[in-house]
Amino acid sequence: EPEVTQTPSHQVTQMGQEVILRCVPISNHLYFYWYRQILGQKVEFLVSFYNNEISEKSEIFDDQFSVERPDGSNFTLKIRSTKLEDSAMYFCASDRYSNQPQHFGDGTRLSIL
Amino acid sequence: EDQVTQSPEALRLQEGESSSLNCSYTVSGLRGLFWYRQDPGKGPEFLFTLYSAGEEKEKERLKATLTKKESFLHITAPKPEDSATYLCAVLYSGGGADGLTFGKGTHLIIQP
Repeated sequence: EPEVTQTPSHQVTQMGQEVILRCVPISNHLYFYWYRQILGQKVEFLVSFYNNEISEKSEIFDDQFSVERPDGSNFTLKIRSTKLEDSAMYFCASDRYSNQPQHFGDGTRLSIL
Repeated sequence: EDQVTQSPEALRLQEGESSSLNCSYTVSGLRGLFWYRQDPGKGPEFLFTLYSAGEEKEKERLKATLTKKESFLHITAPKPEDSATYLCAVLYSGGGADGLTFGKGTHLIIQP
């Protein structure tokens, strides 16, 4: 069964450094998403991406965040200058049509020191 | 106020002991309600989608139902491998268009 893959599984970064999280969505999907989950808290929506542009973003997704689909298979989340509070699990998700189930990867655990 | 509330927060059952998990929502313009299972250190795994009140979906020991204000996930004769955190999420027209709004989840433990 096709799946969403994310790399790396764990990223440790010094505060203030830039980090890029990578995702390969399911191949025939058209909508792409990033979510985060701070330890012990609920999963929170960050951003959605369709037709090579951001379609929606949450209040969490400020100017420090950006997303890109650099080629036909990868979808990336960049955090420009990391803060301690950016430490969380970051999940990528994709679906083929809006309103359809979103399928999630196993996440990248981001630890900011 | 949370838009999606799940109860109980945690539930411990004996193997074979059936029960129900609740997800209540206050959003308007529901476009879909989704149940996911999350194992430790993993991403949410899709279980069911419900789109309208009265709808029911079933898969093995799990059955999901939907009313205008809440959804239930019924677990019949659970086994230890059903132990996980069960997440409820909604898509709705009133607020964000594309992003799922999640509840905090119910942590389910099935003891042999």
